[in-house]
Amino acid sequence: EDQVTQSPEALRLQEGESSSLNCSYTVSGLRGLFWYRQDPGKGPEFLFTLYSAGEEKEKERLKATLTKKESFLHITAPKPEDSATYLCAVRSNYQLIWGAGTKLIIKP
Amino acid sequence: KAGVTQTPRYLIKTRGQQVTLSCSPISGHRSVSWYQQTPGQGLQFLFEYFSETQRNKGNFPGRFSGRQFSNSRSEMNVSTLELGDSALYLCASSFGHETPTDTQYFGPGTRLTVL
Repeated sequence: EDQVTQSPEALRLQEGESSSLNCSYTVSGLRGLFWYRQDPGKGPEFLFTLYSAGEEKEKERLKATLTKKESFLHITAPKPEDSATYLCAVRSNYQLIWGAGTKLIIKP
Repeated sequence: KAGVTQTPRYLIKTRGQQVTLSCSPISGHRSVSWYQQTPGQGLQFLFEYFSETQRNKGNFPGRFSGRQFSNSRSEMNVSTLELGDSALYLCASSFGHETPTDTQYFGPGTRLTVL
């Protein structure tokens, strides 16, 4: 059964303290892994797409990487405005399978 | 380029009533997916429409239904509302291809409260 697991559920960091979020998956035939950011009460905002093991993408303080079994979202020197829930999803049969998300809180 | 729009943004209904939510996708997108999001359950997939046909369906009761029009706009309907239907309903659009680069873009959501 296709499954996506994100860890940790929640992460509290001090401003400037770098860390990583994990997304592990089991899916038959990966056709894309997606990272989104969601602020409370709003729709998820697209961040990255990855689809080949070894692929990396960067955007400001965020860097996403992909292996055959998991993806990491590295956040470098985060700021309070990076606080949000980060969602991971993989595509299977035209449908996205979603993880439960990691709630990231950055304290000033 | 205009993003995904959803109407209404907020809705209050009472148990037993029915509700219709609307979603206008990004121009050129032919796929529309609907999700229910609650604090305890995260994003739950309802269904996906592509070129006016339901292509995928999640595990929701038949009270939840949808349709898509020839201009790709989509509506979802919930009949006989229950308290547990209170949630943020999100719509996402994409080109609908089974390719890694086909990305879903989300609307702002409709917040439904059932009293």
